[in-house]
Amino acid sequence: GAGVSQSPRYKVTKRGQDVALRCDPISGHVSLYWYRQALGQGPEFLTYFNYEAQQDKSGLPNDRFSAERPEGSISTLTIQRTEQRDSAMYRCASSLGVAGSYEQYFGPGTRLTVT
Amino acid sequence: AQTVTQSQPEMSVQEAETVTLSCTYDTSESNYYLFWYKQPPSRQMILVIRQEAYKQQNATENRFSVNFQKAAKSFSLKISDSQLGDTAMYFCAFRRDSGTYKYIFGTGTRLKVLA
Repeated sequence: GAGVSQSPRYKVTKRGQDVALRCDPISGHVSLYWYRQALGQGPEFLTYFNYEAQQDKSGLPNDRFSAERPEGSISTLTIQRTEQRDSAMYRCASSLGVAGSYEQYFGPGTRLTVT
Repeated sequence: AQTVTQSQPEMSVQEAETVTLSCTYDTSESNYYLFWYKQPPSRQMILVIRQEAYKQQNATENRFSVNFQKAAKSFSLKISDSQLGDTAMYFCAFRRDSGTYKYIFGTGTRLKVLA
């Protein structure tokens, strides 16, 4: 079946603009995670959802970052007033269940460049 | 807070030889999961191997095996009969078995397999 998809795959934006990054999880997966990966680093947790409820947003770096998953499926990560330091790969992952034993499947990521 | 440390930024190995990548972690949890992920130049995240902390037996997947030392909080990856396609960035990751099931990744080891 189809894996996790993300769009756009590449996004170049000017400093100060808002961007919205989309994640389409595997059908039926209830948990969805957002990570950010700087070049040469491992992914870092941003936030996650069980169904439509945001469970933990402790990894969001500041209030310019927000995420939603209104119908418990597709999720959008929004960055307002982008800054150059926001440039990174943004990756989402989904899992079938909410327990820790369930595997997380990663999407291909959105590479964001802020100029 | 949990941390994951990969102390080898870069390694190289001759084709068909064996290489071991190191990973240590810090946690006060008794139940958790450990993973090795491969990230080739395409920057996809590919699960290589997974270990449940409550299992004493080391996980193996074909040419990949781990040496899990729970008391020492060590989780190394051994790649046997290295192939050119193993060239990639390798990330060690930790995940709790309670609370937020986010991954905590190390900084990665860049492995190059030489012909």
